[in-house]
Amino acid sequence: DTEVTQTPKHLVMGMTNKKSLKCEQHMGHRAMYWYKQKAKKPPELMFVYSYEKLSINESVPSRFSPECPNSSLLNLHLHALQPEDSALYLCASSQGERREQYFGPGTRLTVT
Amino acid sequence: QQQVKQSPQSLIVQKGGISIINCAYENTAFDYFPWYQQFPGKGPALLIAIRPDVSEKKEGRFTISFNKSAKQFSLHIMDSQPGDSATYFCAASSRDYKLSFGAGTTVTVRA
Repeated sequence: DTEVTQTPKHLVMGMTNKKSLKCEQHMGHRAMYWYKQKAKKPPELMFVYSYEKLSINESVPSRFSPECPNSSLLNLHLHALQPEDSALYLCASSQGERREQYFGPGTRLTVT
Repeated sequence: QQQVKQSPQSLIVQKGGISIINCAYENTAFDYFPWYQQFPGKGPALLIAIRPDVSEKKEGRFTISFNKSAKQFSLHIMDSQPGDSATYFCAASSRDYKLSFGAGTTVTVRA
């Protein structure tokens, strides 16, 4: 089973709202990722967690706050977003730094 | 700057034809090269991947060709079907969790 699940599928939020995106995998993978994807562009890496510790932050604005409660779960907390943050947010997981990354279906975020 | 250059941006192929997508890289530290297939509104799905110790890898109708000296690799989709219509991303990685993606190729297979 190579499934990564994400909730919600769609999210509309105002610029003053606080919301969270959730990601879950049960493949025993020890690395989990957040990506942002704009239309007709490749995914852009935001954060990497390795063994539940934040390993990489690609200079993401602080209005995005990741959290890894355990080895199967990854959250992305959103606060005071801007309309340009509207995008498809993808979660991925992998066995390690050199192994295949498996993506979830994404959360389509619209900031109004 | 984009570390992996992908071409063409889009292509149209007749059903049963061959789709060919090319990628080139400069970073010699890259040692893992996956291809992803993405349908509209969905997440990318890992299609096939290759490491530089082999020159070709085939899975069903999908084949990766790899030329280490030229720092190029390509995806061939044989007997293309309408269900193959999607965006394809090549990528490259070294030992650092990061995937460097190409810009993507939109493939349209006409019935």
